[in-house]
Amino acid sequence: SAVISQKPSRDICQRGTSLTIQCQVDSQVTMMFWYRQQPGQSLTLIATANQGSEATYESGFVIDKFPISRPNLTFSTLTVSNMSPEDSSIYLCSASTGALDGAFFGQGTRLTVV
Amino acid sequence: GIQVEQSPPDLILQEGANSTLRCNFSDSVNNLQWFHQNPWGQLINLFYIPSGTKQNGRLSATTVATERYSLLYISSSQTTDSGVYFCASSGAGSYQLTFGKGTKLSVIP
Repeated sequence: SAVISQKPSRDICQRGTSLTIQCQVDSQVTMMFWYRQQPGQSLTLIATANQGSEATYESGFVIDKFPISRPNLTFSTLTVSNMSPEDSSIYLCSASTGALDGAFFGQGTRLTVV
Repeated sequence: GIQVEQSPPDLILQEGANSTLRCNFSDSVNNLQWFHQNPWGQLINLFYIPSGTKQNGRLSATTVATERYSLLYISSSQTTDSGVYFCASSGAGSYQLTFGKGTKLSVIP
């Protein structure tokens, strides 16, 4: 298993600004992912964070809006750019070693845009 | 991609009661997980169970991969079991999880 630390845990931001969320894993992992959970909804995959190369985005998500970095096997960031109230959600980082224990999640970042 | 459906969407239980949550998935999976999301939004791993049966205290889960469903059993429910239970799976050769819409469980004293 992996322990994932995510920060900030919550933030209130002004529209038009950007927020960078950090995700730190306590061991090297093969795969890291970012999910979004809009209020009252389920989780939706934003992108797969690839180490040393550009992230792979799911349909409906673009790099200009959600730039992602992954400089090594234990760390990734997600930036929510030019925020609007519609971006108010919980953003969750996930990691998997590909081993037979599944994926693990950070505690999430609860973002409110005003 | 893979589709995941959960039932029931909402469930209200008296403390001490038992319950069964169901997850149907549309294709062969290499990963099937159950999570509990607490009121603070944190997602807690319950089971990694692409097939077979596992038990952890009052919780147990069974996945019948050939029939494409998984069940989560909660026995002797407690108020701390309240929250949303998610089933998530990924298809063969993939590690990206697709989540169901969840079952919102409320356990009342």
